[in-house]
Amino acid sequence: DAKTTQPPSMDCAEGRAANLPCNHSTISGNEYVYWYRQIHSQGPQYIIHGLKNNETNEMASLIITEDRKSSTLILPHATLRDTAVYYCIVRGDFGNEKLTFGTGTRLTIIP
Amino acid sequence: EPEVTQTPSHQVTQMGQEVILRCVPISNHLYFYWYRQILGQKVEFLVSFYNNEISEKSEIFDDQFSVERPDGSNFTLKIRSTKLEDSAMYFCASSGAGSLLYNEQFFGPGTRLTVL
Repeated sequence: DAKTTQPPSMDCAEGRAANLPCNHSTISGNEYVYWYRQIHSQGPQYIIHGLKNNETNEMASLIITEDRKSSTLILPHATLRDTAVYYCIVRGDFGNEKLTFGTGTRLTIIP
Repeated sequence: EPEVTQTPSHQVTQMGQEVILRCVPISNHLYFYWYRQILGQKVEFLVSFYNNEISEKSEIFDDQFSVERPDGSNFTLKIRSTKLEDSAMYFCASSGAGSLLYNEQFFGPGTRLTVL
């Protein structure tokens, strides 16, 4: 699996957009970018994934650079419930592949 | 919304004892996983399971560990002789078939295992 690099921590004001960056410069052509988050000690929660096009769902948007070497997860209107550790994971698109978690970014939403 | 469930939520055991952690994956899913997270550390992959056999396992998943799908709904992780270093949160996850639509892994709430 390609390695990802994320800042260890970030703060964001409640109601503002939270932009979480991820570098994955060694990503290969068939690998997807996945984002998960873990609130306190709960099980990780899927947020979004993408290959090369930008993606949006009800939780977030994913912006992937044209060269695919980096991406940004955007939480458009952060709430206190979005305080969590966010993981950027690169993984091949085959249904049973394991997830390799790094240390992620600890996002704190400030009231 | 369907969810993965795990029991018990907290298990305390003595070193050397056997423990079985139980999971009920989402009913139409085909792939099952166990991960663990030692306090303050990363989430680590242990094993994946498909079609009644192990698909992949990590170095952590040694002979002390085993998995089983004893019936159509449960997925279990057994640790035969627990060690102090097995103390961790254990997460079960499941996912659907191999198409693009089903690559999301759904995680359960975890079982906190404490070995004394």
